[in-house]
Amino acid sequence: GESVGLHLPTLSVQEGDNSIINCAYSNSASDYFIWYKQESGKGPQFIIDIRSNMDKRQGQRVTVLLNKTVKHLSLQIAATQPGDSAVYFCAENIRGGADGLTFGKGTHLIIQP
Amino acid sequence: NAGVTQTPKFRILKIGQSMTLQCTQDMNHNYMYWYRQDPGMGLKLIYYSVGAGITDKGEVPNGYNVSRSTTEDFPLRLELAAPSQTSVYFCASSYTGGGTEAFFGQGTRLTVV
Repeated sequence: GESVGLHLPTLSVQEGDNSIINCAYSNSASDYFIWYKQESGKGPQFIIDIRSNMDKRQGQRVTVLLNKTVKHLSLQIAATQPGDSAVYFCAENIRGGADGLTFGKGTHLIIQP
Repeated sequence: NAGVTQTPKFRILKIGQSMTLQCTQDMNHNYMYWYRQDPGMGLKLIYYSVGAGITDKGEVPNGYNVSRSTTEDFPLRLELAAPSQTSVYFCASSYTGGGTEAFFGQGTRLTVV
C-alpha cells in the first residue's frame, strides 16, 4: 500500500482565509518530505520541503509542519488566493534513496470567492 | 532555461502500437525519473536513472523500457500499447537522488484505444 496518504480529497476555502492541507505517512524511515502544487494540465510544481530533523519550515505564504511522533505533515497557506486553486500532493523520500519520491493521492483545493 | 521538456504533449495510440516519449533536461541533473499519473491519483514511479548509462525499475515498470545514453535525455518506450497504459506521463529530474526537489515536465497525455 501507499506510504503517503491524505485525509481529505477536496478542501474548499473562502478567498482570504488560511488553508490547511494534511498528509499522513506510515514509513518511519522517511526523512525528506516535499509539497507539490499541480494546476490543471500542468506538471507538479515545487512549493516547499522539509527534512526530518526539522518540525517547521516557512516560505512565502506557506508553512510546512512535520510531526514525526504521529507521522503527520501539513501545508498551511496563508490568505488563500484564487491562484492557489490546484491539487496539492505531499511526497516523501526514504533516507535519500535514489528512486525518487513516493506521492500521495492529492488534495484538491477549491477557492470560493 | 527550458528546464524539463517532454514531447509530444498528446498522443493517441492503437492497442499494440509502439511509441517513445521524449524527455530532455538542460539543468545538468544526474537523476531523472518517469512517473505516470492516473485520473484522481498521485504519481507512480515507472523508471529512474541516476546517471548516463544507469537505469532502474520503479514501482510500475511493466510494459515500459528506458535508456539513458546522455545526461540530458531519458526517453520512455512503450512497446505494445495497452488500454491500461492510458495515463498522463511526467518526466522529472533532480540534482541529487530524492533529497532535493525534482523538476517536472509538462506531461504527455497518452490514450490507448
